[in-house]
Amino acid sequence: NAGVTQTPKFQVLKTGQSMTLQCAQDMNHNSMYWYRQDPGMGLRLIYYSASEGTTDKGEVPNGYNVSRLNKREFSLRLESAAPSQTSVYFCASSPKETQYFGPGTRLLVL
Amino acid sequence: KQEVTQIPAALSVPEGENLVLNCSFTDSAIYNLQWFRQDPGKGLTSLLLIQSSQREQTSGRLNASLDKSSGRSTLYIAASQPGDSATYLCAVEDNAGKSTFGDGTTLTVKP
Repeated sequence: NAGVTQTPKFQVLKTGQSMTLQCAQDMNHNSMYWYRQDPGMGLRLIYYSASEGTTDKGEVPNGYNVSRLNKREFSLRLESAAPSQTSVYFCASSPKETQYFGPGTRLLVL
Repeated sequence: KQEVTQIPAALSVPEGENLVLNCSFTDSAIYNLQWFRQDPGKGLTSLLLIQSSQREQTSGRLNASLDKSSGRSTLYIAASQPGDSATYLCAVEDNAGKSTFGDGTTLTVKP
C-alpha cells in the first residue's frame, strides 16, 4: 500500500495562475481532508469530504475549490493563486477516526 | 469556534529526562483528541488517539491523558531520546468530523 500520495511535491506559481493539487489514497477510506500549514503553525482545514460525492468547507476555504472524483481521489484547485496561498498543503484520509497524512505539497506563489 | 493551544511552543531537554507536553482546548464537546508527530519537512504521523469517553492511552514510552471537562490533554514522554526530537501537535475532532490543530511544541532532546 502506498498510503496517501500527493502530487506535485513542489510548485512555484505566479500570482493569478491556476493549478490543481492531486491526492489519492489506496486504503479505502471514506473521509478525506485538505489542510494548509504555514511556518510555525498547526494545520488549518481547508475542505473535507466525508464520503464520495460530498464536500464541506473547513476553516479557511476562500480561494480554493475541491473535487472528490471518486473514493480514492480528492483534488484541491487554486483558480487564481495569491501570495497569501504560499504554504505547505497536506492531504489526509481517515477510515473513521485516525487520520493518515500524505507527504505534503510545498507551494510558493510569487 | 474551537481553539487549541499548546504550551510550551519549544522545549529542549537532555537525553533521559521525562517530559510533559500540554494541550488545551476551548470547547469540551469533542469526539476525540489525537497527538501527532511531525519531523521537519514531513507529514504527520499519528501517535495516540483518545476517545472522548476515555481518560488516557499508552503506547510504549508515550502516555496521553484527557480531561474533557477542563479542556486539557497532556502527552507524557518517558526517558526521552534524541530520536524523539520533532514537533508534536494535538488535534481535537468534533462530532461533524472536523479537526482543529494546535500550533505544536517543538521538542529537542540533546545527547
